[in-house]
Amino acid sequence: GDSVTQMEGPVTLSEEAFLTINCTYTATGYPSLFWYVQYPGEGLQLLLKATKADDKGSNKGFEATYRKETTSFHLEKGSVQVSDSAVYFCALYSGGYQKVTFGTGTKLQVIP
Amino acid sequence: KAGVTQTPRYLIKTRGQQVTLSCSPISGHRSVSWYQQTPGQGLQFLFEYFSETQRNKGNFPGRFSGRQFSNSRSEMNVSTLELGDSALYLCASSLEGGPGELFFGEGSRLTVL
Repeated sequence: GDSVTQMEGPVTLSEEAFLTINCTYTATGYPSLFWYVQYPGEGLQLLLKATKADDKGSNKGFEATYRKETTSFHLEKGSVQVSDSAVYFCALYSGGYQKVTFGTGTKLQVIP
Repeated sequence: KAGVTQTPRYLIKTRGQQVTLSCSPISGHRSVSWYQQTPGQGLQFLFEYFSETQRNKGNFPGRFSGRQFSNSRSEMNVSTLELGDSALYLCASSLEGGPGELFFGEGSRLTVL
């Protein structure tokens, strides 16, 4: 079945540091890939997506590239801010009426 | 545009009771899906409804059920509650044609004592 593996957290960075959160996946066919973010006390929000190989999703300074050859979708940001502190979920969709498979989440804490 | 609204936000029940959670999707969204979030298992898909029909179901026991009304509002019900049902229950709505693009509510946090 489908699965998503993402790096364990928590990840603690100083403000303006470079961020990478690793994500790899296993899926049948050609899934769409997503990063969702959950701020404290809130539901998840879609951060970015990519629907085919070599696509780059980007939003709010975050980027991720769909790498089919390595089955990866790593999240990056060049300079994190305190407001980026949240839990980040890598996810995939390979069909099945909105049955999205999520990774376990990576908590990011950015300190001033 | 109002987001996804879930009620109640917090509730406490005892083992053996049942609970009903409600979700109002974003206006115009006809697909509603439910997820259970726990620290140990992460986010797990419960079921999805579209035009009052359940189109997909996750691997949960029959104690977990749901329905969708003609105005797209959805409810989920858990009967004979167990301690392990304590979780954040998230509802998400989406447009047909936006596969995987989910708009989540803030969730209903259920504690079973």
